[in-house]
Amino acid sequence: DADVTQTPRNRITKTGKRIMLECSQTKGHDRMYWYRQDPGLGLRLIYYSFDVKDINKGEISDGYSVSRQAQAKFSLSLESAIPNQTALYFCATRGQGEDTEAFFGQGTRLTVV
Amino acid sequence: GENVEQHPSTLSVQEGDSAVIKCTYSDSASNYFPWYKQELGKGPQLIIDIRSNVGEKKDQRIAVTLNKTAKHFSLHITETQPEDSAVYFCAASNPNTGGFKTIFGAGTRLFVKA
Repeated sequence: DADVTQTPRNRITKTGKRIMLECSQTKGHDRMYWYRQDPGLGLRLIYYSFDVKDINKGEISDGYSVSRQAQAKFSLSLESAIPNQTALYFCATRGQGEDTEAFFGQGTRLTVV
Repeated sequence: GENVEQHPSTLSVQEGDSAVIKCTYSDSASNYFPWYKQELGKGPQLIIDIRSNVGEKKDQRIAVTLNKTAKHFSLHITETQPEDSAVYFCAASNPNTGGFKTIFGAGTRLFVKA
C-alpha cells in the first residue's frame, strides 16, 4: 500500500461547486502539506500543518481551505471551484524537520469546467 | 519572497549521454537541497539530497554538487537510460525560519532518446 493516499485520483467538477480532496498517510508523521502543480510553475504550497492543532497558509491559499481530522488525515476543500483551479494537486507528509524527505501522494487531477 | 530558479525547463539527451540540471536559490540560510523525480502519473519521489556541510554527493549514476557561495546546486545524471525520462524538481529548505520553509524549482522535463 502507498504511504500517502489521495482520493479521488481524477475529478471533473463545475464552476461554483464545492469539492473536497482527501489525503491519508501511514508514515506516522506529524507534518502534512497540500501542493498545487501547474506546468512551468512547479510545486506551490497551498496549506501546511505541523500537527493536528496547527494549520498554516502557504503561498497560494486563497480560494482553498483545509481540515486536519487526525494525524493521518488532511483534506483540502475548494468552497466554490473556479476554472483557474484546474491543476494537479499533491498531498505530502514529512518527518520532524524540514530537512527530511517529503513523501508525496500520487496526485489528484482536478478539472473545473 | 524567496525563490528557486531551475534550468533548463526541458532537456533532451541521447541514451548514454550525461544530463545536467541546475538550480539557483535566493535564501542564503537554506541548508537542505533535495532532488525529486516525478514519473508520469505519479507523485514526486526523492532521488538524492545534499546538506550545506557537503559539497558533493554521489549515488550510482546520479550526483549532486552544491556551491553555497554562489547559491547554486546541480544534478548530474551519467549514462542516461530511457527510464530516466521524467520531470525533475530541485528544492531548497531553510528549517530555521517561520512560514513555509521548502521552495521548489519549476521542474525540468528530461527526455532520454533510445
